[in-house]
Amino acid sequence: GDSVTQMEGPVTLSEEAFLTINCTYTATGYPSLFWYVQYPGEGLQLLLKATKADDKGSNKGFEATYRKETTSFHLEKGSVQVSDSAVYFCALDRDDKIIFGKGTRLHILP
Amino acid sequence: DTAVSQTPKYLVTQMGNDKSIKCEQNLGHDTMYWYKQDSKKFLKIMFSYNNKELIINETVPNRFSPKSPDKAHLNLHINSLELGDSAVYFCASSHPIGGASGNTIYFGEGSWLTVV
Repeated sequence: GDSVTQMEGPVTLSEEAFLTINCTYTATGYPSLFWYVQYPGEGLQLLLKATKADDKGSNKGFEATYRKETTSFHLEKGSVQVSDSAVYFCALDRDDKIIFGKGTRLHILP
Repeated sequence: DTAVSQTPKYLVTQMGNDKSIKCEQNLGHDTMYWYKQDSKKFLKIMFSYNNKELIINETVPNRFSPKSPDKAHLNLHINSLELGDSAVYFCASSHPIGGASGNTIYFGEGSWLTVV
């Protein structure tokens, strides 16, 4: 069945470091792909999305490109901040439900 | 105004009790969901309703019963609570269903259920 695999955390970086969180998916057809973020004690929020191959989603300095050839949707940010500390979920949209990866916890040190 | 609101936010209850979590969305969405997030942060869909009709029912014990009185509400009732039911439960909504348009889901803030 469809699935999402993302790198296990926690990931700990210093402020202003470059961030990559890997995400790959398995699905038939062409699902839409998403990154959701969960800040401590809060619900999930959509961070960015891409609906077709080669699309790039971007928001708040984060970017991810839908790579059909490698079935990947890696999340990147050039310079992270302490406020980016959260859990990040990669997800795909299949028919009438969204399937999430297991989440990657990110700690940013000042 | 909160787009997807769920109550209560925190709930501590004893094993064997019956409890409900309520969810309401004011986004005019047709589809609502319940997700369970376990202690390892893994999110798994439990149920999905579209216009008050059940469309997804994952492998969830019969003790869990969703109720959708109208398309803006999806409540979760849990009978005979067990220790393993302790988790964060997220309500969500979206419109439209289907993947072609990039189905963005809007989540509530979660309900922290602790069974003791």
